[in-house]
Amino acid sequence: NAGVTQTPKFQVLKTGQSMTLQCAQDMNHNSMYWYRQDPGMGLRLIYYSASEGTTDKGEVPNGYNVSRLNKREFSLRLESAAPSQTSVYFCASSEARLGSGELFFGEGSRLTVL
Amino acid sequence: GENVEQHPSTLSVQEGDSAVIKCTYSDSASNYFPWYKQELGKRPQLIIDIRSNVGEKKDQRIAVTLNKTAKHFSLHITETQPEDSAVYFCAASDSTGRRALTFGSGTRLQVQP
Repeated sequence: NAGVTQTPKFQVLKTGQSMTLQCAQDMNHNSMYWYRQDPGMGLRLIYYSASEGTTDKGEVPNGYNVSRLNKREFSLRLESAAPSQTSVYFCASSEARLGSGELFFGEGSRLTVL
Repeated sequence: GENVEQHPSTLSVQEGDSAVIKCTYSDSASNYFPWYKQELGKRPQLIIDIRSNVGEKKDQRIAVTLNKTAKHFSLHITETQPEDSAVYFCAASDSTGRRALTFGSGTRLQVQP
């Protein structure tokens, strides 16, 4: 039982390049989330998926897109990376409905945009 | 939307002392308040949560209190140990499925041996 797995763990991009962060969970959870973590700013929600087939914007969605490929997988795409997107990205999942139960986080992906 | 403010941003205590971290929230509809602990280089993990039908909840050395009238909740850690050193995040939501958790900005707790 791996929990929440995200790849890659580290990535360096140049401004304007694109990339996709992959996330998969093996806990049969309905809800999945992408957060970014920046010093002094806590965890800010980028996008979430309350159930398979649905996605919604969170607090800071600009510059990102997501795909809920199936119940297990939820990917985050940066189409044209900017230095402001340098951050640590966390994928999370939850068995409970949106906002009402424990979040299980992946190990994080550290992204640097030069 | 919800706004969660967390204080202090850093906290240093001596081993064995108590630590208190405070959070305020803006949406009176919020009724679920979890706390997450993130050790250096690790993922955040839930340590305790409280729902608005109770005012206090304890789990060994940690406790959370909630004051819905004042819209604030606090994390209390007693008899602190070096392994309590971490960043702690509070969060809030209304648990109706209307919105996801909103997190505070975090408190870095350092327990000095």
